[in-house]
Amino acid sequence: KNEVEQSPQNLTAQEGEFITINCSYSVGISALHWLQQHPGGGIVSLFMLSSGKKKHGRLIATINIQEKHSSLHITASHPRDSAVYICAVLLINAGGTSYGKLTFGQGTILTVHP
Amino acid sequence: EPEVTQTPSHQVTQMGQEVILRCVPISNHLYFYWYRQILGQKVEFLVSFYNNEISEKSEIFDDQFSVERPDGSNFTLKIRSTKLEDSAMYFCASKRRVLTVQFFGPGTRLTVL
Repeated sequence: KNEVEQSPQNLTAQEGEFITINCSYSVGISALHWLQQHPGGGIVSLFMLSSGKKKHGRLIATINIQEKHSSLHITASHPRDSAVYICAVLLINAGGTSYGKLTFGQGTILTVHP
Repeated sequence: EPEVTQTPSHQVTQMGQEVILRCVPISNHLYFYWYRQILGQKVEFLVSFYNNEISEKSEIFDDQFSVERPDGSNFTLKIRSTKLEDSAMYFCASKRRVLTVQFFGPGTRLTVL
C-alpha cells in the first residue's frame, strides 16, 4: 500500500483555469512537501508545510493534519505550469531520529493548453 | 542563489561496470540524500548521510551501493557492478536542517546497457 497517494494522476486544463491537486497520506508526518518536476527531469521544491496554508504567487498549498490531506492549488493556470507535481512527506520516525528522508507520491501530470 | 550540482548529466555504462555519480551540495547544508527515479515511476529514497556517516538507507541500497563525502564538498554515489535495473535518474539533495526545504540537483541519467 502506498503511504502517499495523489489525485488525479493526469490533469488537463485550459489556460486560466483554477487547478487543484490532492495528496493523502496514511501515516504520521512531520512535514509535507510539494515539488515540481520539469519535463527535463529536474525537481524544484515549491512548499514545505506542517500546518495551515502557504501562498507563493499563483500557488497555494494547504494541509489538514487531522484528515491527513493536502491540496495544491494553481490560480489562473498558464501553459508554463505544465509539469509533474509531486507530494512528498517527511515521516514521523517512531522511537528514532528523523534524518529527513522524503517518501514520495506518484506525481500528477499537469498539462495546461493555451 | 546557491544550488546543488551533479555530474555527469548522463552516464552510459555496460552491465557489470562501476559508476560514480558526483554531487556538490549547497555549502552550509548538513543533510545529504540520494534518490532515484526509474522511468515512469515515482522517486524513491536510497540513502541519507549526516555527520560523515550513513544515517538511513533503503532496501534498494544494498552492498553494490556506497556513498562518500571525501573532501567536505563532494558527495558521491558509487555503484560497484551495475545491473540493467539500475538504469534510472539519480538525484542528489541537501538541506540545512531536518525540517527545512530540501534542494535537489538536476539529476544524473544512468543508462546501463
